[in-house]
Amino acid sequence: DIQMTQSPSTLSASVGDRVTITCRASQSISSWLAWYQQKPGKAPQLLIYQASSLESGVPSRFSGSGSGTEFALTISSLQPHDSATYYCQQYSSYSTFGGGTKVEIK
Amino acid sequence: QVQLVESGGGVVQPGRSLRLSCAASGFTFSSYAIHWVRQAPGKGLEWVSLISYDGTKKYYADSVKGRFTISRDNSKNTLSLQMSSLSAEDTAVYFCARSHSTAWDYFDYWGQGTLVTVSS
Repeated sequence: DIQMTQSPSTLSASVGDRVTITCRASQSISSWLAWYQQKPGKAPQLLIYQASSLESGVPSRFSGSGSGTEFALTISSLQPHDSATYYCQQYSSYSTFGGGTKVEIK
Repeated sequence: QVQLVESGGGVVQPGRSLRLSCAASGFTFSSYAIHWVRQAPGKGLEWVSLISYDGTKKYYADSVKGRFTISRDNSKNTLSLQMSSLSAEDTAVYFCARSHSTAWDYFDYWGQGTLVTVSS
């Protein structure tokens, strides 16, 4: 089974900050990685697929990078409504989610 | 627009069974694989099961294998999850989610979820 490890588990940043969340796969998954945003009481929403492709309608301040085993989600300028939990997901072999990163606004 | 609406959640006693449903609309249901994903209270996301677009291939997480059965009715645009031998560890919000393609892929649309509580 492929394990996905996200870090940090929580982060606190100010509006306008550049924020980066990392995700590591236990084995190579090529670029078969997606990122989701989830707000309390809501379903997750797709942000990024195939490691770096921005889903339609998602603000361009979100970007994804990486391949193989190391990936990152970057928010270029944090906005108040970006407060949420972010999950990575591999879909190379079955499907596994990372543990999540809770982003808080200072 | 694409819609997925789960139903069937509720409170069930340990060891009992429950059947969840997911009603799909706004897209050609028979062209997409569909997943179940769950989230225990205050926890992260856990993939549960996948059924291929035509229902011929089914996959399960080890945690539910042998206890849960996924099925679909393409004539009625509905997905089901039959859950048996439930335990407290199965307490979670259950989401159905559309795979972007006919098989393993990212999840491009999600339902709002239905809460299953296993408790005596």
